[in-house]
Amino acid sequence: GAGVSQSPSNKVTEKGKDVELRCDPISGHTALYWYRQRLGQGLEFLIYFQGNSAPDKSGLPSDRFSAERTGESVSTLTIQRTQQEDSAVYLCASSPRGGPATNEKLFFGSGTQLSVL
Amino acid sequence: AQSVTQPDIHITVSEGASLELRCNYSYGATPYLFWYVQSPGQGLQLLLKYFSGDTLVQGIKGFEAEFKRSQSSFNLRKPSVHWSDAAEYFCAGADPGNTGKLIFGQGTTLQVKP
Repeated sequence: GAGVSQSPSNKVTEKGKDVELRCDPISGHTALYWYRQRLGQGLEFLIYFQGNSAPDKSGLPSDRFSAERTGESVSTLTIQRTQQEDSAVYLCASSPRGGPATNEKLFFGSGTQLSVL
Repeated sequence: AQSVTQPDIHITVSEGASLELRCNYSYGATPYLFWYVQSPGQGLQLLLKYFSGDTLVQGIKGFEAEFKRSQSSFNLRKPSVHWSDAAEYFCAGADPGNTGKLIFGQGTTLQVKP
């Protein structure tokens, strides 16, 4: 597709359930990022994949959060045993290579709105 | 710890007035700096970025930002605001040694009065 695609766009779940969020980066983009945006707050870095290198997981808030990416394709963010404080918009972004501090742009998806009841 | 701070949560300006959105950073070395805009229901759009060189950076939609090392600031400006500029604005930084990780400020919501 032309842009970063995320699914679902909205997800409502019950506390304690597991959820999986999907991100399709722009074809050919080697770098992929997950961010979280809680209501009224800024974006919070979660995890970064760059090609076949080990991902930077330093932003994952707890061991309930995990993410996978196979090669340079789709990524899934999994939240186990969801809690109400997990409610947020989860944004995915990709860039052609090397991250946002190169001269290429960071392309964001429209996000998944997660609501934990 | 590395951080980016936007002191103003909400700003209201009249259409046609000038605008300045503040951004301060705290990094060990000079970071790469960015401004993004997020309109309701839409993703983030890059307005401009600073890596090095000229401290006054021009961006899209008539925006500019000035990097001031002495003040650890990277304020966003526009000489004349349009109603369509109403949105949320985010300042972000990246450590040149760890370029994959953007740190965002909390955002400033801009409201434009007719």
